[in-house]
Parts: sequence; structure tokens; C-alpha cells
Amino acid sequence: GENVEQHPSTLSVQEGDSAVIKCTYSDSASNYFPWYKQELGKGPQLIIDIRSNVGEKKDQRIAVTLNKTAKHFSLHITETQPEDSAVYFCAARASGTYKYIFGTGTRLKVLA
Amino acid sequence: ETGVTQTPRHLVMGMTNKKSLKCEQHLGHNAMYWYKQSAKKPLELMFVYSLEERVENNSVPSRFSPECPNSSHLFLHLHTLQPEDSALYLCASSQDYSSGSQETQYFGPGTRLLVL
Repeated sequence: GENVEQHPSTLSVQEGDSAVIKCTYSDSASNYFPWYKQELGKGPQLIIDIRSNVGEKKDQRIAVTLNKTAKHFSLHITETQPEDSAVYFCAARASGTYKYIFGTGTRLKVLA
Repeated sequence: ETGVTQTPRHLVMGMTNKKSLKCEQHLGHNAMYWYKQSAKKPLELMFVYSLEERVENNSVPSRFSPECPNSSHLFLHLHTLQPEDSALYLCASSQDYSSGSQETQYFGPGTRLLVL
């Protein structure tokens, strides 16, 4: 069945450094790719998303890139801050369906 | 706050108990979802409702029974659960399932369930 692989499972960076999380999807019909941040005791919160008609999207310190040929998309966080520490999930969804396929999550720790 | 609330936030129940989880969305959305979140595993979609009709049921055991009385409320009725059902149960909503901004899902804070 469809799946999304996410790496790494844990990531520690120094404050101010960049963090990159990568996901690979299997369903070639996927056309919508959201990224969620989940803090302790909270549900996942959407932080950025990208659709298959664009290759990159940026929102302040957060950016997402998409390579449709390789079925690969990545989250980039620059100038990391301690409040960026959380679990990050990628997901993929095909148009016209309700089904989001989620990655297994990346626990990001930003060390002060 | 995302506009999606869930109660209770924590629940401990025995295997013979019956309990219900409640989700309410204040966003005017048409679609609502139940997910199960277990450690080290991807979020598992359990049920999807669109305009109060169930549109997807992902081979979930019958001890989980969803109910959607209106587009703002979603329940998950629990009966004779097993310890392996212990997890965080997340509710989400979206405007619709078509392409465009309507497809963004907004999650509630979840109910942490422990089955003894």
C-alpha cells in the first residue's frame, strides 16, 4: 500500500543552525504535502504545505521543497530556536481522497 | 487554539467499560476525522465523515463505533477495548476534500487513552 518514509527519526541541532527533515512518498497520484508540528500535549499543527504544481515554498524561517520526479519532499528550518523543539510530521495526499498518509515523525531538539 | 476541541483530554478505562470520546469543531467545516496515534507509528486514519455521512472506515475493529450527529460534532464510542488500544486519539476537521485550501486538516489536542 501507499506509504511515506520520513528521516531522520531524531535530530539535534545547535540553536541558530539549520534543520532538514526528508520524506519520500510512494503514491505517484499524491499532489498535496503538508507538514505538521506537534508539541507535547497538543495535536499536530499545520506549519507549511506545498502542492505538486510548485517546487518550493517559503514562510519566514521555514521552507519546503518538492521533487516530483524523485517523489521526495523536505522541510527546512533556518536559524533554529529552542521553541522549534517538537515532533514534525510530513504527509501526502492524493486529490479527491480523504486519505492522508503520514510519516513516522521526527523529534527535533534545538540545543541552547 | 485550532478551533477543534476534544473531551476528555485523558481517560483510563478497564476492558469491560464503555466510554465515549467527543470532538467539536467551531470552523464550519464539512469533514471530520478520527485518527489513532501510537508511539513510533504513523498516524492511523480510523474514520472519515463528510456532511455527517461516513465515507471511510479503515478496517477498524467493531469495538470502536463512531457517530456524527451533525457537522460540528463527532463521537467515538468505546466498548470492550484491549490494552493495545491505548494511544492518543486525535480528531481533525477540514472544509472539504477537494483540492485547494479546503483540504487543510486542523487537529484537536487529542484524548490520551489508557486501557487497563
